[in-house]
Amino acid sequence: QVQLVESGGGVVQPGGSLRLSCAASGFTFSNYGMHWVRQAPGKGLEWVAFIRYDGSNKYYGDSVKGRFTISRDNSKNTLYLQMNSLRAEDTAVYHCAKTITMAQADYWGQGTLVTVSS
Amino acid sequence: DIVMTQTPLSSPVTLGQPASISCRSSQSLVHSDGNTYLSWLQQRPGQPPRLLIYKISNRFSGVPDRFSGSGAGTDFTLKISRVEAEDVGVYYCMQATQFPLTFGGGTKVEIK
Repeated sequence: QVQLVESGGGVVQPGGSLRLSCAASGFTFSNYGMHWVRQAPGKGLEWVAFIRYDGSNKYYGDSVKGRFTISRDNSKNTLYLQMNSLRAEDTAVYHCAKTITMAQADYWGQGTLVTVSS
Repeated sequence: DIVMTQTPLSSPVTLGQPASISCRSSQSLVHSDGNTYLSWLQQRPGQPPRLLIYKISNRFSGVPDRFSGSGAGTDFTLKISRVEAEDVGVYYCMQATQFPLTFGGGTKVEIK
């Protein structure tokens, strides 16, 4: 069955960096686009970034553009999110999600918590 | 950006009774390929989101048939024919027709 397991979250100071990983299994990772979506404590869902199945195209939300970079390693079945210049408002649970058709997300990971605080 | 507006914010429902959630987009969600990439997600307390419906009305694998989606263009509806205790949670509509992807603000379904 499809499994997505995020890791790499933690507490970081404002201005700091963190790299999140999403280990995928149960499907042919290299055939599907992938998303990062975040959820601030007690808030709704916010889309962060998307990468095509082959890494050829990447898209970002306005709030993270220029600070975050999405990437993937299809040989390792792993999705990444490099987060730089972190701000307090980036505090959230970060989920990776697989796509079903086009950019529609079907399976979601449990998420990893990122806390930006001094 | 496409703004997704959900109503109501909260929906107290009696077990066994129907529930309905509306989602309106600020512009048409019809993609240039002719499809409409409107999904519904369920998020139970403490859980990640779960896909219920994709492309307006297609039930995802394992989703009970009491969940149904309908609509077109800019107006969409999720219906639960008979609410069960396990349906408690927050429901989100999501558009994937255009980047950036956007979500509705969420509708909390709770039992009266």
